[in-house]
Amino acid sequence: SQQGEEDPQALSIQEGENATMNCSYKTSINNLQWYRQNSGRGLVHLILIRSNEREKHSGRLRVTLDTSKKSSSLLITASRAADTASYFCATSMGSNYKLTFGKGTLLTVNP
Amino acid sequence: DTGVSQDPRHKITKRGQNVTFRCDPISEHNRLYWYRQTLGQGPEFLTYFQNEAQLEKSRLLSDRFSAERPKGSFSTLEIQRTEQGDSAMYLCASSLFRTSGTHLYEQYFGPGTRLTVT
Repeated sequence: SQQGEEDPQALSIQEGENATMNCSYKTSINNLQWYRQNSGRGLVHLILIRSNEREKHSGRLRVTLDTSKKSSSLLITASRAADTASYFCATSMGSNYKLTFGKGTLLTVNP
Repeated sequence: DTGVSQDPRHKITKRGQNVTFRCDPISEHNRLYWYRQTLGQGPEFLTYFQNEAQLEKSRLLSDRFSAERPKGSFSTLEIQRTEQGDSAMYLCASSLFRTSGTHLYEQYFGPGTRLTVT
């Protein structure tokens, strides 16, 4: 079963604009990760935030985590056409560290 | 290329046939995970190995599914008597589990094997 739910399901923006995607989850976690998937291909790890962290940056990416609300957001600044992809949040808990994914947000960046 | 590789990339089979997929993880990674992804959904966990030991199987993994990692390196996922509902992308990922020090949680995914059962 899916742990997380991303919002919105689809997002279309113009190149240069910022894109914000949200993720909600249901149970306590060790960490939350964001992955990108280009059409029909494997997933690429973007960024990880641990449960005791509130905000993290990596290049044009900014992730926030609110464990009291069980939610996270991913901000992509100054978007590019190459950012067009599906973005998934994934939570990890327990010693097995298996990932539980949401359904993803399909981001389209128009040139 | 030192990433995770999967073979084949595409497989079309008839209902009732058996299929086997292979995953080669990043060489120093001791954990290997299998996930299944259907259209419009996120990946769902199937099973994982630490070295050669299979430590957990999802209830999604019916008796028709079996996975092995015989020498703690590559892994195979076999589906017997395939059904149309098995049509999906099968993803393999690997990670490095450290028993001491800072654990690395990131998983590195292969390109996937897309299975179509007709």
